[in-house]
Amino acid sequence: ELKVEQNPLFLSMQEGKNYTIYCNYSTTSDRLYWYRQDPGKSLESLFVLLSNGAVKQEGRLMASLDTKARLSTLHITAAVHDLSATYFCAVHLPNFGNEKLTFGTGTRLTIIP
Amino acid sequence: DAGVIQSPRHEVTEMGQEVTLRCKPISGHNSLFWYRQTMMRGLELLIYFNNNVPIDDSGMPEDRFSAKMPNASFSTLKIQPSEPRDSAVYFCASRTRSHEQFFGPGTRLTVL
Repeated sequence: ELKVEQNPLFLSMQEGKNYTIYCNYSTTSDRLYWYRQDPGKSLESLFVLLSNGAVKQEGRLMASLDTKARLSTLHITAAVHDLSATYFCAVHLPNFGNEKLTFGTGTRLTIIP
Repeated sequence: DAGVIQSPRHEVTEMGQEVTLRCKPISGHNSLFWYRQTMMRGLELLIYFNNNVPIDDSGMPEDRFSAKMPNASFSTLKIQPSEPRDSAVYFCASRTRSHEQFFGPGTRLTVL
């Protein structure tokens, strides 16, 4: 059974600082997603990582994937308040025809002015 | 592009009543997913359809839950009879051929 773990679960950081959220998964995956969720809102797609070594960046967020280590990271650079949200990673197993994603527990990020 | 549309946005019902949640995927997306989100269990996939055909329903909690997709632009998730433990936010998502899943606004269900 695929297990997806994120850490930390909660993160408070000051504006302007850098930090990294980690997503570990237990079995081979061919695709990994990062989502953002604001309180009471839906999930917003941030990144889809499709191969080992993939790196994608959007604004102050950068995601990377190491399939050999079964690890993805979401790096936040010079955090600003509007990045406060819960961030989820989701993992897809390479099972032809099955598009099921398994989500991590989420990391609740709070940016303090 | 209107995005994924869900209705109702909020539903409050009493235990034992039937609940029907509705979803309209983004036009042209060929896969549709139903998820449930709770504080205790996080985000769980209930069922998903590909080209209107159910592919994986292993996440459906029990026989009280059923889902249909009669055509490419509409799906329903039905709970009958509903129980207080079904209280959650139910999300519908649709997927492009490039693997990206887009989520709807969700339906917040409260079963009293």
